[in-house]
Amino acid sequence: EVQLVESGGGLVQPGGSLKLSCAASGFTFTESAIHWVRQAPGKGLEWVGRIRSRFNRYETSNPASVRGRFTISRDESRSTAFLQMDSLEIEDAAIYYCTRPTTDVDNHDWFFDLWGRGTLVTVSS
Amino acid sequence: QSALTQPASVSGSPGQSITISCTGTSTNVGKYNLLSWYQQHPGRAPKLIIYEVSERPSGVSNRFSGSKSGNTASLTISGLHTEDEGDYYCFSYARNNVGVFGGGTKVTVL
Repeated sequence: EVQLVESGGGLVQPGGSLKLSCAASGFTFTESAIHWVRQAPGKGLEWVGRIRSRFNRYETSNPASVRGRFTISRDESRSTAFLQMDSLEIEDAAIYYCTRPTTDVDNHDWFFDLWGRGTLVTVSS
Repeated sequence: QSALTQPASVSGSPGQSITISCTGTSTNVGKYNLLSWYQQHPGRAPKLIIYEVSERPSGVSNRFSGSKSGNTASLTISGLHTEDEGDYYCFSYARNNVGVFGGGTKVTVL
């Protein structure tokens, strides 16, 4: 089955760290970029970052809101992507989704046709 | 990058057509065709319904169509069905390898 499964969410204190995982199956992970998107409770979607495939040298990027705090990586042998979140703030509390673009060619990895079910991150003291 | 601007809510009766706008700037929506739309039902992950401004993925109803003029993209739902109720988000590439979502639009079928 073609799917993405997130894990690693939970309760963390402000200033703490958490590492989320995104396990892929049913498709060629090594040829796919992976993006992360979050959704605070009752709020809209926010793009959190991406990591491209080996064909694009595993290039990563993040929006200013998380740059320097969130790091995306991947392990090809485990078909898994990761989102390392440091210096967490109350505002980072959300459901975190990983998602796969339709392609990783020519900077066209901005259309997401496969989503996980998400993992909930709660930031509270 | 600031979020793209969408109306908070749009409503229509079954069978009617509605249009959701997504307004950005000349550095995102106006500059690139890397614009997509997502449908989200409560408690579910988003679903891609339009990509590259006006293309429909396989399996998505042809009642959904997209367009763009200048800095504003639009999603039109024709022949509104009750199952079209939900939240809709636009998303655009916004230079320097970042992307930005719209604030979301809640569609209600009256």
